[in-house]
Amino acid sequence: NAGVTQTPKFQVLKTGQSMTLQCAQDMNHEYMSWYRQDPGMGLRLIHYSVGAGITDQGEVPNGYNVSRSTTEDFPLRLLSAAPSQTSVYFCASSPPGAPLHFGNGTRLTVT
Amino acid sequence: GESVGLHLPTLSVQEGDNSIINCAYSNSASDYFIWYKQESGKGPQFIIDIRSNMDKRQGQRVTVLLNKTVKHLSLQIAATQPGDSAVYFCAENKGSSGSARQLTFGSGTQLTVLP
Repeated sequence: NAGVTQTPKFQVLKTGQSMTLQCAQDMNHEYMSWYRQDPGMGLRLIHYSVGAGITDQGEVPNGYNVSRSTTEDFPLRLLSAAPSQTSVYFCASSPPGAPLHFGNGTRLTVT
Repeated sequence: GESVGLHLPTLSVQEGDNSIINCAYSNSASDYFIWYKQESGKGPQFIIDIRSNMDKRQGQRVTVLLNKTVKHLSLQIAATQPGDSAVYFCAENKGSSGSARQLTFGSGTQLTVLP
């Protein structure tokens, strides 16, 4: 049972490039979400999904897209990377009403 | 906007002593609160949660206290061990879902356990 798996672990992008951060969970959790964590700060919610086919915006959604075609996968797309998107990105999942279970993050640097 | 904040950014305790980490929140509509532990290079790890209809909840060596009158949350760790050294985050869920759907995190407290 792998839990929440995020790939890649590290990524360097140039300004303007696009990429997709992958997130997969094998616990059949309905709820999934993406957070970013900047140095010395707590996590901020980017997007979340309460089930396959349903997504919604969090606190800081600009510059990011998500989709939820299956229960297991919740990819995060950066459309045109900017230095302000340099951060650590965490994906999380949970069953309804239960605490979030986090992956170990993707460390993204945009130059 | 409303946010979750912490009283102290760092806390050092002697091994074996009890630790208390405090958190203030400002949204009276928040209905769910949760504490996470984050070790370097890892994702947040769930410690304990509490819903707004409770004022205390206990786990293994940890207790969370919720004071809705003053909008204050605390995490107590009994007999602190070296493995407890980490950053601790409190978070609140705004709204009435009673779950972790839209968490707002505090900035964290670095707990250091001294030998």
